[in-house]
Amino acid sequence: EVQLVESGGGLIQPGGSLRLSCAASGFTVSGNYMTWVRQAPGKGLEWVSFIYSGGRTGYAESVKGRFTISRDNSNNTFFLQMNTLRPEDTAVYYCARGSGPLYLDPWGQGTLVTVSS
Amino acid sequence: QSVLTQPPSASGTPGQRVTISCSGSSSNIGSNSVYWYQQFPGTAPKLLIYSNNQRPSGVPDRFSGSWSGTSASLAISGLRSQDEADYYCAAWDDSLSGVVFGGGTKLTVL
Repeated sequence: EVQLVESGGGLIQPGGSLRLSCAASGFTVSGNYMTWVRQAPGKGLEWVSFIYSGGRTGYAESVKGRFTISRDNSNNTFFLQMNTLRPEDTAVYYCARGSGPLYLDPWGQGTLVTVSS
Repeated sequence: QSVLTQPPSASGTPGQRVTISCSGSSSNIGSNSVYWYQQFPGTAPKLLIYSNNQRPSGVPDRFSGSWSGTSASLAISGLRSQDEADYYCAAWDDSLSGVVFGGGTKLTVL
């Protein structure tokens, strides 16, 4: 079964750092676009980042320079390192597999990140 | 303010046909495919339509997508109560070199 499971969310103070993980099963992360999408409470979806099979990465302007996406092929997991966190980064973060940057299926269950003092 | 513009809400009665619009620009919908996602409260989004008008396996043919110029639409025919959800359009934006989503449309089945 193809599945994604996120972990690493929690409460963090502004300016702090957090690393989200997304463990994949049923397929290999190295052969797909692995993507992070977030959703602030009561708001819509916002694309955050992707990493492509060739190692190419993309970031939303709102997180560029603060967030870094990476993957560990040996553990079939990919990550989102989030630095200099701001209150506006508070959201549920979803990971998703993509055969392309937009064909996102499946999605993980989401992990909540709360940035607050 | 989202790059792609959707109406915040839409509604219809069971059996009716409803459409949800998504307006963009030449750098996104005007030059790239549109995707649609369905999201129920408290759950992850689900891919509904890809490449403007294609349905992934398992998506009923009551859902259809169309596209013209810099706008796209999602149509749902034979509306059912279980279609009540939030719907999002998305596309690649050449100017931003990234994915852009619409603000979402909350569909209510009356």
